[in-house]
Amino acid sequence: SYELTQPPSVSVSPGQTARITCSGDSLSKQHAYWYQQKPGQAPVLLIYRDIDRPSGIPERFSGSSSGTTVTLTISGVQAEDEADYYCQSADSSGGSVFGGGTKLTFL
Amino acid sequence: EVQLVESGGGLVQPGGSLRLSCEVSGFTFSSYRMSWVRQAPGKGLEWVANIKHDGSEKHYVDSVKGRFTISRDNAKNSLYLQMDSLRAEDTAVYFCARDRLWLLQGLDYWGQGTLVTVSS
Repeated sequence: SYELTQPPSVSVSPGQTARITCSGDSLSKQHAYWYQQKPGQAPVLLIYRDIDRPSGIPERFSGSSSGTTVTLTISGVQAEDEADYYCQSADSSGGSVFGGGTKLTFL
Repeated sequence: EVQLVESGGGLVQPGGSLRLSCEVSGFTFSSYRMSWVRQAPGKGLEWVANIKHDGSEKHYVDSVKGRFTISRDNAKNSLYLQMDSLRAEDTAVYFCARDRLWLLQGLDYWGQGTLVTVSS
């Protein structure tokens, strides 16, 4: 089965750039998706198809891909960005898999 | 406005059954694949199951195969998850989501979730 690996936590100072990685063999064949989840809320789609941003998502959120690793970059991190972030990809059997999640915290 | 509203969660004993529902509005339900995703307390997201727009194709995570059944009623704009032989490790908030993964668009709308607690 596919696995996606994320760092459990990333710390950043407000206004700086945060980078959250997601690694997995499936990412060389499947696109990645990123979600933001705040406490007590449903996840929100941030990035689809590795790099695209849904309407309404701020431009400071961007995605990139290289080989078996995808990266979510948050430029000029704001207080409201403190949240959990999850990557996701489809698997070859018709389902999908999420990474373990990364908690973004402020230094 | 797109809305997804889950219901049916609650406390159930190990080995028991529960049926979750997800009622949707604001889009043409019968045109979209749908998914269930769960989140155990303090843990990450876990994809559980999906179903094609016409119900002809269903997929499950290994841990629920043979115990959970996803279904839909397009006339009622509703998605279901029948959960049998429940275990303590099935305790989680269950979210329904519009699944556009196969269109490379991701899970673009989510409900607020319903809590299932499996405990004696």
